[in-house]
Amino acid sequence: EVQLVESGGGVIRPGGSLRLSCAASGFTFDDYGMSWVRQVPGKGLEWVSGINWRGSNSGYGDSVKGRFTISRDNAKKYLYLQMNSLRAEDTALYHCARDLLKRAYYHGMDVWGQGTTVTVSS
Amino acid sequence: IQMTQSPSSVSASVGDRVTITCRASQGIDNWLAWYQQKPGKDPKLLIYVASSLQSGVPSRFSGSGSGTDFTLTISSLQPEDFATYYCQQTDSFPLTFGGGTKVEIK
Repeated sequence: EVQLVESGGGVIRPGGSLRLSCAASGFTFDDYGMSWVRQVPGKGLEWVSGINWRGSNSGYGDSVKGRFTISRDNAKKYLYLQMNSLRAEDTALYHCARDLLKRAYYHGMDVWGQGTTVTVSS
Repeated sequence: IQMTQSPSSVSASVGDRVTITCRASQGIDNWLAWYQQKPGKDPKLLIYVASSLQSGVPSRFSGSGSGTDFTLTISSLQPEDFATYYCQQTDSFPLTFGGGTKVEIK
C-alpha cells in the first residue's frame, strides 16, 4: 500500500524550531518529487515547499522562504521539513504529498499523508 | 504567481452543471491541477495539466484552459461531489493554490 506518514509536530513557542518527518512506503521513493502543504482548519491549502526526486532542486512559499528547509533521504525513504524562527501564523496541519509522475516536473499531488499538527503559541 | 478562483462558493442541485474558474496572474501554459477536498479528508487530485483526468476520477469532471484562464466543470452534480475545490499552478515555484470554491447543496 502506498503510504505517507508524517511526524514531528507539536506545540512550540514563537521563535522556536521543529523538524517534521514524512515516512514513505509502498512505492519507489526516489522516483518522485515531494511537497509539504499546510492547512489551517477551515481555511485553504497553502503549498509550503517542494523537492525533486533527486533532491537537487527545491522551492519554497513566500511566507516560509529563508526560515524553512526541505530535504530528503532517499536511502531511508524520508522527507523532512526543518522549520526555524516559527511564528504564530505557521500554526497549521502539515501534510507531505507525492507528485503524480515519476522523475518528472510537478504535475500535481496524488498521494497525501494524514498530516501532523504544528501549533506555535506562547 | 497568484491564483484567483471564482466563485468562492456556489449552491447547486443534484444534476446541475457546475463550472468553477481559476485565473493565473501570469501565463502558466497548461500547468494547472484541480483538487477536491471533503471535510476532514485529504485533498484528492482530479485533473492535471489542465485537462487530463486522474485515474479513477469520474468522467463528469473535466478541465479546460491554457495560459491564464482555466475551468473545472462538473457536468451533472452528484451527491458525493459536494466539497471544496482548489486549483494549483504547477508551472513555477512557489506552486500556489487558489483560494478554493465550496460547492454546497441548494
